[in-house]
Amino acid sequence: ETGVTQTPRHLVMGMTNKKSLKCEQHLGHNAMYWYKQSAKKPLELMFVYNFKEQTENNSVPSRFSPECPNSSHLFLHLHTLQPEDSALYLCASSPSHANGETQYFGPGTRLLVL
Amino acid sequence: TQLLEQSPQFLSIQEGENLTVYCNSSSVFSSLQWYRQEPGEGPVLLVTVVTGGEVKKLKRLTFQFGDARKDSSLHITAAQPGDTGLYLCAAFSNSGNTPLVFGKGTRLSVIA
Repeated sequence: ETGVTQTPRHLVMGMTNKKSLKCEQHLGHNAMYWYKQSAKKPLELMFVYNFKEQTENNSVPSRFSPECPNSSHLFLHLHTLQPEDSALYLCASSPSHANGETQYFGPGTRLLVL
Repeated sequence: TQLLEQSPQFLSIQEGENLTVYCNSSSVFSSLQWYRQEPGEGPVLLVTVVTGGEVKKLKRLTFQFGDARKDSSLHITAAQPGDTGLYLCAAFSNSGNTPLVFGKGTRLSVIA
């Protein structure tokens, strides 16, 4: 247990569906992250939130929409995804978004888009 | 773009063998981290190295940061099936609040 939980753990959705991924951290951290992990590619940073404010959007398509209502919760809203969006989506948190801060990862949501 | 190249990509060895995996880049990093990711889980931090030439040991795992802070190695002595997993290196650049950059990982399988 890393103190970061993600739900659901597995998700299958059609291209026209709308779904949301949820991440919650119990570590008192102020920065939260969404990463995408695909086969044969490095972890790709998608979004960064620091003190509930989005500080980075790494050229992510608008069909992915993040939401950070407070420092403990992070959502990723999904809409009209493509099959190539199938991947493991990892949430992480760190005390702050500063160089060198250790990030703690959740177990991920395995997403399959049909 | 800062790239971290990890080698080998895959490694399958017998229990009790020693192994070394590598993480290389042409960029200089302020610090470098190694993570292990097991199936169905997220990456878990093993170590952070900061100083060029630094060596850290974690039981049977030995981590080294290159003198120029551009590369790192992870050596496992007497590998066990429990060491099986994806080993990821990740690094922070020297400049400001830049994102953590990850390599593609080395997938290790230790056979009993």
